[in-house]
Amino acid sequence: DGGITQSPKYLFRKEGQNVTLSCEQNLNHDAMYWYRQDPGQGLRLIYYSQIVNDFQKGDIAEGYSVSREKKESFPLTVTSAQKNPTAFYLCASSMLAGYNEQFFGPGTRLTVL
Amino acid sequence: ILNVEQSPQSLHVQEGDSTNFTCSFPSSNFYALHWYRWETAKSPEALFVMTLNGDEKKKGRISATLNTKEGYSYLYIKGSQPEDSATYLCAFADSYNTDKLIFGTGTRLQVFP
Repeated sequence: DGGITQSPKYLFRKEGQNVTLSCEQNLNHDAMYWYRQDPGQGLRLIYYSQIVNDFQKGDIAEGYSVSREKKESFPLTVTSAQKNPTAFYLCASSMLAGYNEQFFGPGTRLTVL
Repeated sequence: ILNVEQSPQSLHVQEGDSTNFTCSFPSSNFYALHWYRWETAKSPEALFVMTLNGDEKKKGRISATLNTKEGYSYLYIKGSQPEDSATYLCAFADSYNTDKLIFGTGTRLQVFP
């Protein structure tokens, strides 16, 4: 089955620890995205990548890092510099350009204790 | 900062009622307007990607209209069913950043049997 997988579904970390969220897609999509959702807010873009080995900052990139070493994979690291990391994180992918719908993974809920 | 607004924030209707919600977006530099449905415990799924002024899309009982000159889109659901209960998101892409979607906060629809 084609789709996007994110793991884990729930993640708990202690304050000050870096944590990496996984995102894999087998849709052969060029573009991949990371969003964050907080209560009462729309999805906010953290980082996106249009091609392997290249990525751009979104609106709230501070405290996060990404890599795109393979077309299928776009992991997100939440660093200790992120002041408010507890949130729901969604990964998405699409063919290039904004006319194409984005396909979303099931999300990871990160709680920092 | 581009702003995308959705109204109402939430809506409760009886099975069989027709309903509609609004998405407002910047009226300049329009590229595309996306509608997504996000059911509880599932991933957001694309309903429509709208690209032209006056564009209308339809999928079963759900349809959408677009007015790029005044910066709004309506989503209509005819004869609502309990399975239509979900959060409906709209997202705007402008012509300077065609791969970046700016999401509204969503309209949460609950359909009672």
